[in-house]
Amino acid sequence: ELKVEQNPLFLSMQEGKNYTIYCNYSTTSDRLYWYRQDPGKSLESLFVLLSNGAVKQEGRLMASLDTKARLSTLHITAAVHDLSATYFCAVDETSGSRLTFGEGTQLTVNP
Amino acid sequence: GAGVSQSPSNKVTEKGKDVELRCDPISGHTALYWYRQRLGQGLEFLIYFQGNSAPDKSGLPSDRFSAERTGESVSTLTIQRTQQEDSAVYLCASSSRSGGIYYEQYFGPGTRLTVT
Repeated sequence: ELKVEQNPLFLSMQEGKNYTIYCNYSTTSDRLYWYRQDPGKSLESLFVLLSNGAVKQEGRLMASLDTKARLSTLHITAAVHDLSATYFCAVDETSGSRLTFGEGTQLTVNP
Repeated sequence: GAGVSQSPSNKVTEKGKDVELRCDPISGHTALYWYRQRLGQGLEFLIYFQGNSAPDKSGLPSDRFSAERTGESVSTLTIQRTQQEDSAVYLCASSSRSGGIYYEQYFGPGTRLTVT
């Protein structure tokens, strides 16, 4: 059974600081997704990582994938309040099949 | 273009009643997925439809849960004899396929189900 673990689960940080969220998964997969969820809202796709060594950046967020270590990271640079949300990583074992989600990281960026 | 839509957005029902939740996927998306999100938790897979293939029902928590999809269009998730532990947000997602590769899943706004 595929397990996906995120840490930390809760993250409170000050504006302007950097931090990294980690996503570990238990079986072989080369497809990993990062989603953002605002309170009471649905999920918004942030990044799709499809191969070992993939790195994608959008604004202050950068995601990377190491399939050998079964690890993805979401790095936040110079955080701003608008980044406050819950971030989920998700993995699918087989292309197009179900996604297995991590528990989510609730990020709060304080002024 | 239009995204994934779901209805109703909120549903309050009494324990023991049946409920139907509807999902309209993005036009042309061959794959459709249902997930459940309990308060403060991640998403749990329920069921997955892929074109005309038999659905993957392995995530359905009990035989009170069932889902149907008509071709590559709308899907209905039915929960019979609802229980309080069924209270959650039910999210639908769809994805497209090209050259045997499935693309990312796009999520609808969800249906918040409250069983009293």
